[in-house]
Amino acid sequence: DAGVIQSPRHEVTEMGQEVTLRCKPISGHDYLFWYRQTMMRGLELLIYFNNNVPIDDSGMPEDRFSAKMPNASFSTLKIQPSEPRDSAVYFCASSQGGDSPLHFGNGTRLTVT
Amino acid sequence: QKEVEQNSGPLSVPEGAIASLNCTYSDRGSQSFFWYRQYSGKSPELIMFIYSNGDKEDGRFTAQLNKASQYVSLLIRDSQPSDSATYLCAVPGSARQLTFGSGTQLTVLP
Repeated sequence: DAGVIQSPRHEVTEMGQEVTLRCKPISGHDYLFWYRQTMMRGLELLIYFNNNVPIDDSGMPEDRFSAKMPNASFSTLKIQPSEPRDSAVYFCASSQGGDSPLHFGNGTRLTVT
Repeated sequence: QKEVEQNSGPLSVPEGAIASLNCTYSDRGSQSFFWYRQYSGKSPELIMFIYSNGDKEDGRFTAQLNKASQYVSLLIRDSQPSDSATYLCAVPGSARQLTFGSGTQLTVLP
């Protein structure tokens, strides 16, 4: 099993540009989570999906953030327009739900200048 | 909103000593707790979970849960320099979405 796959690993962009982060969950996992990690705020849950349906997006900071999961093997997190305060490491994680643990991807380090 | 509090540290212990990491939580209804380890520049990885009051041991790691006090801890025996990392306590929601504490940075000195 290749684990949760995220791309890109690093993204540097200028303020105002659109950023798209991608995630492929582990096959067979019904739940997909997007987290953001910063020194100031730690690991924050942004949104999660169950069977490709968004369940809770209350952690999405602003309307500039959007997430989709068009099928069971792919999800995107989009920021448009990006701002310097969006700079963080964004993690995608998946699980089978129930008592199974979250498996994290390697993360995308986003820098907005 | 589930709250999870951890001492941010940093915590330093000499090699071979016991490292004790602590976590408190606000929701009395929480039934299970997770400990994740995160090396610098890496993603969090699960090392322990505990559901019942008392202790759960796995190798050099022991998780302790006291639901009455809303307190969970992680003990690392015979600490090694390779244990140096940030340790995150987490509480699950209804769909296993986790609320994480801020983490405790542990350094094991050779």
